[in-house]
Amino acid sequence: RKEVEQDPGPFNVPEGATVAFNCTYSNSASQSFFWYRQDCRKEPKLLMSVYSSGNEDGRFTAQLNRASQYISLLIRDSKLSDSATYLCVVRRNRDDKIIFGKGTRLHILP
Amino acid sequence: EAGVTQFPSHSVIEKGQTVTLRCDPISGHDNLYWYRRVMGKEIKFLLHFVKESKQDESGMPNNRFLAERTGGTYSTLKVQPAELEDSGVYFCASSQGSWREYQETQYFGPGTRLLVL
Repeated sequence: RKEVEQDPGPFNVPEGATVAFNCTYSNSASQSFFWYRQDCRKEPKLLMSVYSSGNEDGRFTAQLNRASQYISLLIRDSKLSDSATYLCVVRRNRDDKIIFGKGTRLHILP
Repeated sequence: EAGVTQFPSHSVIEKGQTVTLRCDPISGHDNLYWYRRVMGKEIKFLLHFVKESKQDESGMPNNRFLAERTGGTYSTLKVQPAELEDSGVYFCASSQGSWREYQETQYFGPGTRLLVL
């Protein structure tokens, strides 16, 4: 079993719709959680960190459920520019490396 | 402020040859990381420098890979001799402050696309 698993893609979503991504992690000792965005043939860029209480940044909302070992990302009012691959990233503990999920591809359709 | 830069952007070599990738982190960032993405797979950690010291090299695939960061500034990753399975995108990332911070933000370079024929 992969340490970080994400919804398989691609997600094809009309512009303006709401889309949600899920991610599960296997190590219950994981401490830090992130969503990165990667455009085609570009480097990953941090979209947002995920805090225990959940957090929001504009149209983006991230949630963490430690009991279920589950992280989510919600994008509201999706834009064409949101088309990208979204990577779920987990850090097991402060002495450890970060682990990437395989990513979920999102296509926003005009 | 300049971001993380990597050189070359692309490299095509034959099996058995040597390739050296370079990464220049953001100025002042003590932490430097190397990652690799093989086609169809997730990005995987290779190693982590804190200044010039290797903090964690548990992700290095084998002894054909050698990373250095002399002087704690730029880093090189040498593959010698290259094999077909080494093909992929090699990313470098850097971060500021203590790597022990839970929510440390890593900034990635554009990557080097390596193709071994």
